Order: sequence, then C-alpha cells, then structure tokens
Amino acid sequence: SSELTQDPAVSVALGQTVRITCQGDGLGRFYASWYQQKPGQAPTLVVYGNDKRPSGIPDRISGSSSGNTASLTIAGAQAEDEADYYCNSRDSSGNQYVFGTGTKVTVL
Amino acid sequence: QVQLVSSGSEVKKPGASMKVSCKASGYNFISYHLHWVRQAPGHGLEWLGTVNPHGGSTTYAQTFQGRLTMTTDTSTSTVNMELSGLKFEDTAVYYCTRVRSYCSNGVCHYYFDSWGQGTLVTVS
Repeated sequence: SSELTQDPAVSVALGQTVRITCQGDGLGRFYASWYQQKPGQAPTLVVYGNDKRPSGIPDRISGSSSGNTASLTIAGAQAEDEADYYCNSRDSSGNQYVFGTGTKVTVL
Repeated sequence: QVQLVSSGSEVKKPGASMKVSCKASGYNFISYHLHWVRQAPGHGLEWLGTVNPHGGSTTYAQTFQGRLTMTTDTSTSTVNMELSGLKFEDTAVYYCTRVRSYCSNGVCHYYFDSWGQGTLVTVS
C-alpha cells in the first residue's frame, strides 16, 4: 500500500495534550517524519526518525511509533501549535515517498 | 544557512509544459538529494519525485511517470522540475525540499529538513 492515513481534524484545549496518528504499511519498516504547516507557509520539519526533534522544536512536541502506526504528540498545546500536520515515509517498496492525508489541529 | 529559492509564479494553458527552478545555497549542493512536493489549493502534500545533484539520477512518483522531468545544474546549484501535458488539476504550489538521512540498524530513513518558499503554478 502507498497510503498514509491520518485523522482529518482534531481539537485540543489550550494547555492540554493531543495525539495525531499516521497509519501505513511502510511504517513497519521505514521511520516517519512529521511536518507542521501554517496557512500560506511552506511546511517545516518537527520530528524525524520517528522520535527525534530538530533543533528549535519545543520539547512539548514528540514522536513515537508502534508497528504500522506513527504518532505525534503535543503536550501542553499552545496557540502557535494550531496548524496542519503531515506525516511522511516511504511506501512498503521503499522506492516511493508518501505523505499522510494531513491532520488539522485546532487549539481552543 | 541553507536556502532554497524557487522561481516565480506562472500561469499556463492546459496541455502546455511548466518548468520551475530551485536555487540552493548555504551547503554543498551535490551532497544532498532534492525532492519536489506539490500542494493543490485546499489539499494536502503530494510527493512528485527526487533528483540526485551528483550524477542527475532521478526517481519519480508513479503517478507522474512519463510527464515529469527533473534536472540539475551544478554550475548554478539549481534543480529544475518540468511537468508536461498540464491539466487543470496540476494547479498547485510546487515546493523543492532537501532530504537528509538518518540510518539505524542498516536501514536509512529520510526526511525533508529545508524547504523552498513554493511556486504557484496555475493551469487555466
């Protein structure tokens, strides 16, 4: 399969915790990366290698993986975390890259 | 710092071809593969393909096989992406992005660490 499936939208109260999931066959073999995209902007990397944060990404954002599911958790969500989030990995063949369907995170 | 700067917006007719360029700076150009990703209005990200600046080898998404061409110019640290046979649904922002690798247990995993600002191509 060449699909990565995400929930279309989630909401979280300010200061609370939200988890976004990404499911796909390739995730059992290849690690996921996660991208945050705000309106009118290019995506930015927030997690790579399933659970590693680039410099400058706050530690309230974390990644994990189990089996064919990768997850992104925002603990203590802030207003600036409101954005679209996309996972990415390779498909099960390893030859093609695929993005998840995207999750819109709303901070209430 | 790493910078990827893509060419300006374009308007194209259906059936025409488009060419978007992306100029890289701030790092050794031939050391990192570059990828192209697009986003149609109101839609998600879609991976198009990749080009290796060191040698020019390419891999394209199966969806675009036959009408997508990626090339590099090492003299100007530029990658080019050409899409032919344009359709209305090719209207999108086209991003170039640099890929880095993280290797573990003999398997390398890739992620996009820097992105261009995007180029809007409208097919109308």
